Amino acid sequence: DVVMTQTPPSLSVAIGQSVSISCKSSQSLVYSDGKTYLHWLLQSPGRSPKRLIYQVSNLGSGVPDRFSGTGSQKDFTLKISRVEAEDLGVYYCAQTTHFPYTFGAGTKLELK
Amino acid sequence: QVQLKESGPGLVQPSQTLSLTCTVSGFSLTSYNVHWVRQPPGKGLEWMGRMRYNGDTSYNSALKSRLSISRDTSKNQVFLKMNSLQTDDTGTYYCTRGAVGDYWGQGVMVTVSS
Repeated sequence: DVVMTQTPPSLSVAIGQSVSISCKSSQSLVYSDGKTYLHWLLQSPGRSPKRLIYQVSNLGSGVPDRFSGTGSQKDFTLKISRVEAEDLGVYYCAQTTHFPYTFGAGTKLELK
Repeated sequence: QVQLKESGPGLVQPSQTLSLTCTVSGFSLTSYNVHWVRQPPGKGLEWMGRMRYNGDTSYNSALKSRLSISRDTSKNQVFLKMNSLQTDDTGTYYCTRGAVGDYWGQGVMVTVSS
């Protein structure tokens, strides 16, 4: 199985601060069609996960452009510019290139 | 609008079979894949399997021997059945549209306990 390693496991931030979360995969996530199926989700407290970014850098519907994703092959980053209170929760990266699909262990974003 | 809703028993006894239903609206099961993802309390997410738009299924190899996913397109429902439940199968079970869904159900909490 592809192992997704997220760092850091937790982040303490002030409103308005910018943060980055890293996600590294144990195998390249480039599929045979040339696309990279690496995604980012946010699970706010008590809520279902919500997709933020799909295929490395594409914003999900209704997701503010404070969120951005970069990376390639095995190394990916989610950046949140100007954190707002609604951004708090657990962030997961996920790959859907290889079966079984797998998730990172999560990064918990908390208020400082 | 697009909605998914999971339903099923909240409590299952060890060694018994779990049966869950995902009822969808706002889209057709013959056009989109529906996946099942679960989350133990306080832990991360695990992909379980999927029902493709064409009726094909794929399963997480770690669960494959115990898991079955089926559907009834006339009722807009996708079903999950997993046998030989143990306490570590306790958690919230979600159905989603798409692999890392653009839409998720609210989840259903399942406790495995005698």
